[in-house]
Amino acid sequence: EVLLVESGGGLVHPGGSLRLSCEASGFPFSSFAMSWVRQSPGKGLEWVSVIRDSGSGSYYADSVKGRFTISRDNSKSTLYLDMNSLTAADTALYYCAKVPHSGGWYQPFDVWGQGTPVAVSS
Amino acid sequence: DSVLTQSPGTLSLSPGERATLSCRASQIVTNNYLAWYQQKPGQAPRLLIYAASVRATGIPARFTGGGSGTDFTLTINRLEPEDFAVYFCQQYGDSPFTFGPGTKVEIK
Repeated sequence: EVLLVESGGGLVHPGGSLRLSCEASGFPFSSFAMSWVRQSPGKGLEWVSVIRDSGSGSYYADSVKGRFTISRDNSKSTLYLDMNSLTAADTALYYCAKVPHSGGWYQPFDVWGQGTPVAVSS
Repeated sequence: DSVLTQSPGTLSLSPGERATLSCRASQIVTNNYLAWYQQKPGQAPRLLIYAASVRATGIPARFTGGGSGTDFTLTINRLEPEDFAVYFCQQYGDSPFTFGPGTKVEIK
């Protein structure tokens, strides 16, 4: 069974930092691009970042560029999101998601984790 | 950035009826890389349709995607009780990959 399990969310003060993790199982992790998508309480979905299967390239939403860093450890089948300079606008449920086919990243998301909540508040 | 607009915001229908959801992009969606997702309360989104019209694995045939360019539709024939949910469209042809605001399909 293909599974994605996020962790690392929590309550953080404005200006603080947090590292999210997403542990993958049930598929050859190193062959698939991975993304982070967030959803603010009661709101819609916002794509945050994507990383190539090899980890050699990534894209970011303008709202997080320069503050967030996506990375992966293929030996541990784990995806990461390092978040710095957090503001209230970053409060959301953060999902990791995989693409359905190995190779490129211009693909939809066929498997999602259950999400890890991040709350930024003083 | 491609802005996606979904209409209507809410669709009130009865089981057995047909639902037609619209997604309009502010610019041509590259390669018609347009997906539809279903989300129920407390759950992660579920991929229904990709490449505008291809049903994802395990998705019932009552879900049909169509359209091209900037205008896309999701049709749900004969609504089942489990189909009442929020539906999002997403373009993944260009970065940033953007989502629409969603259409809620509720029981009338």
